[in-house]
Order: sequence, then structure tokens, then C-alpha cells
Amino acid sequence: KAGVTQTPRYLIKTRGQQVTLSCSPISGHRSVSWYQQTPGQGLQFLFEYFSETQRNKGNFPGRFSGRQFSNSRSEMNVSTLELGDSALYLCASSFITGETEAFFGQGTRLTVV
Amino acid sequence: TQLLEQSPQFLSIQEGENLTVYCNSSSVFSSLQWYRQEPGEGPVLLVTVVTGGEVKKLKRLTFQFGDARKDSSLHITAAQTGDTGLYLCAGAKGSSNTGKLIFGQGTTLQVKP
Repeated sequence: KAGVTQTPRYLIKTRGQQVTLSCSPISGHRSVSWYQQTPGQGLQFLFEYFSETQRNKGNFPGRFSGRQFSNSRSEMNVSTLELGDSALYLCASSFITGETEAFFGQGTRLTVV
Repeated sequence: TQLLEQSPQFLSIQEGENLTVYCNSSSVFSSLQWYRQEPGEGPVLLVTVVTGGEVKKLKRLTFQFGDARKDSSLHITAAQTGDTGLYLCAGAKGSSNTGKLIFGQGTTLQVKP
């Protein structure tokens, strides 16, 4: 069974631009969560989607948004990029919401210059 | 406020030595997961513990969930260079309406030959 696929793996953007990251969950998994990982803050929860609905949201500004499609694929968008948004963005999928065993993708390394 | 405190943050040992990593909190978690992450990759799930006092073994790795479900430990026996990596504990709080995980800051383990 294929794992969680995140694209692109690496991204370099300029401050002020916006970016869209994509995540394809494990086949049959309907819950997708997004995390931001930085050396200083570790892994921090961004939001979770289940059946195209946002179920939970972390403490991030409104510049961070996401959505989920009917095939469970998810995208997250960051607008008006700041230098501090440079991070590894990780997507995790679970079979159902509330199932806490999460399977992570390899992540998208975003660098804002 | 870091809900999950991991210790130590860094650990450098010789191959063959034993080690224990701790994950502590003042909060109760419904379950706790341990992940291992290599540089530039996503975390890989090692184990999930659910019941207070539960002990799970995965080859040379032993995981324990505290009786009160507030803490956990990971013990590695006879460490090998392949055990090198970032070890993360992650807790799930509350009921089944969210897939949000709260992560500890991680323990970076270096096993030298």
C-alpha cells in the first residue's frame, strides 16, 4: 500500500508570496492533518480535515489555510509568506478522525527568502 | 506551554549501551505514540500505547505508558548505529473527535560505532 505522498518535496519562495502544498493520504484514509516542524518549536499542529470538513485548528494565523477534496487529498496554503514560515511541513493521514495513529509523509521543506 | 516534556534533549552514546528517553506531562492522554524521524524525512510511527501501565516491546525497544497515562518512556537495549535519529513522543487528548496530536520537543539520539 502506498504511503502518504507530499508534493513538492522542496520549495523556495520569496517573502510576500503565497504557496500551496499538496498531500495525498494513504488509500482509504479519510483524515488528513497538517503539522509545521521547526528547530525551535518542534512539531506543531496546524489543522485537521475529515470528509472535506476542517475538524480542528491549531494556533496559527489566518494566513494558513487548507482544504480537503472528495478523494481525501488535501492542500494547505500559506499566503503573504514571512521568513518565519520556513519549515518542514508534514502531512499525516489516519483512517478516521480521532484515530490517533498517524502516518506521516516525507514533508515539504519550505524556505522563504 | 509545552504539554509534553521530553528528556534528555540530546543523547550521544556508544554502540552497545542502553538508554532511556522520558516523556512527561501534567496532563492525561488517551493514548501516546512514539515516532522516529531521520533528517529530511517524516516521522515513522513506532508504537502506540493506550492503557495505563501498558508495556510494549519492539525488538530491542521497550515502551511503557505510565499508570496515570501522563508519562511514557522508551528504553533501548544494546543500541546500534541504526538507532540514530530523532525520537518523538506524541499524545492524543480527549475523546474521538479529533486527530490532533501534541508532540514533545524530541530527543536526538546519536549512537557512535
